[in-house]
Amino acid sequence: DTAVSQTPKYLVTQMGNDKSIKCEQNLGHDTMYWYKQDSKKFLKIMFSYNNKELIINETVPNRFSPKSPDKAHLNLHINSLELGDSAVYFCASSERALGGSPLHFGNGTRLTVT
Amino acid sequence: AQTVTQSQPEMSVQEAETVTLSCTYDTSENNYYLFWYKQPPSRQMILVIRQEAYKQQNATENRFSVNFQKAAKSFSLKISDSQLGDTAMYFCAFMKGGGGAQKLVFGQGTRLTINP
Repeated sequence: DTAVSQTPKYLVTQMGNDKSIKCEQNLGHDTMYWYKQDSKKFLKIMFSYNNKELIINETVPNRFSPKSPDKAHLNLHINSLELGDSAVYFCASSERALGGSPLHFGNGTRLTVT
Repeated sequence: AQTVTQSQPEMSVQEAETVTLSCTYDTSENNYYLFWYKQPPSRQMILVIRQEAYKQQNATENRFSVNFQKAAKSFSLKISDSQLGDTAMYFCAFMKGGGGAQKLVFGQGTRLTINP
């Protein structure tokens, strides 16, 4: 009964390919996020959705497109993958978009672009 | 924009010792929250402790406690009676309070190793 689950856990692909990462939460939370952790372990927000509505869109290349079919799911599609996209991508959820709600993270997807 | 700084890239202590991880932040907000997250080698991000800025009392969770100094914008984490399972990356994080879209802003992390 994993709270926030992401698939796949590992993703190895070649430059130029398109790939997707899926995320689901069973906590009944309203808000979901995508974070990127680079090779130096630095975590930075990419996107956030609240009840299927995009509320945060940081400076991310257009090749990255999030989609939230319902409030329990948030997927990340990446077009034309580049070497610099190699990182660990974390999905997270929080009870609501208001400040103070802790984020619950998935186990991450390690993306390697060769 | 808010920034979070963890000045200790790595720390190492012996099992059962007490260790303190430092964190400072910069903000002009008055309503905000601070967090410590732990990331063990398994890669999972685990919430350790949460502090509301409007509360003067320092948060405590079992062996984990914080020293929150609002005027100094400092938020250190103390781990008492450290255990081998405490070995992990520790991230300090800031979140604005209030309505609207909120996000966690993370520090660079401190790699903590507990030696037997």
